Amino acid sequence: NAGVTQTPKFRVLKTGQSMTLLCAQDMNHEYMYWYRQDPGMGLRLIHYSVGEGTTAKGEVPDGYNVSRLKKQNFLLGLESAAPSQTSVYFCASSTQGTEQFFGPGTRLTVL
Amino acid sequence: AQSVTQLDSQVPVFEEAPVELRCNYSSSVSVYLFWYVQYPNQGLQLLLKYLSGSTLVKGINGFEAEFNKSQTSFHLRKPSVHISDTAEYFCAVSGTMYSGGGADGLTFGKGTHLIIQP
Repeated sequence: NAGVTQTPKFRVLKTGQSMTLLCAQDMNHEYMYWYRQDPGMGLRLIHYSVGEGTTAKGEVPDGYNVSRLKKQNFLLGLESAAPSQTSVYFCASSTQGTEQFFGPGTRLTVL
Repeated sequence: AQSVTQLDSQVPVFEEAPVELRCNYSSSVSVYLFWYVQYPNQGLQLLLKYLSGSTLVKGINGFEAEFNKSQTSFHLRKPSVHISDTAEYFCAVSGTMYSGGGADGLTFGKGTHLIIQP
């Protein structure tokens, strides 16, 4: 039982490049989330999903897209990376009414 | 919508001393409350949670928190800290299943860095 895993762990992009972050969970959770963590800001919700095939915007969705084609996977895409997207990205999953389980994070640097 | 305020960005404490990390929240609906801990270069780990019932909640590693609805607070306490407790602590809130929330993510405070001094 791996819990929540994230790929990759680290990535460096140049401005304008694109990339996809993969989140996978093996707990059969309905809900999945993407957050970003910046110094002194705590974690802020980017997008979330309440089930396969559904997605919704969080607090800071601009510049990101997501897809949930399979229940166990939640993808976060950056179409044209900007330096302001340099951050640590965390994926989480849960069932309603319980705590969220977090992955180990992806550290992204955009030059 | 909810908001969370962690009143202290940094708390230095001597080893074996007690500690309290403060958290206040704002919400127009009933809430669930959580404390998470983040050790350096790691993800977030749940310390404890308040969903319903007793307002005094006990968690892992000797931590506890008390939900005070009238003061909209959920302060975290430990009677005696260890060097290994050095970490970032986050308070978080969500709406409950019965208030229509819970599915749309957690709202986090900005974190409190607990520094244990030998």
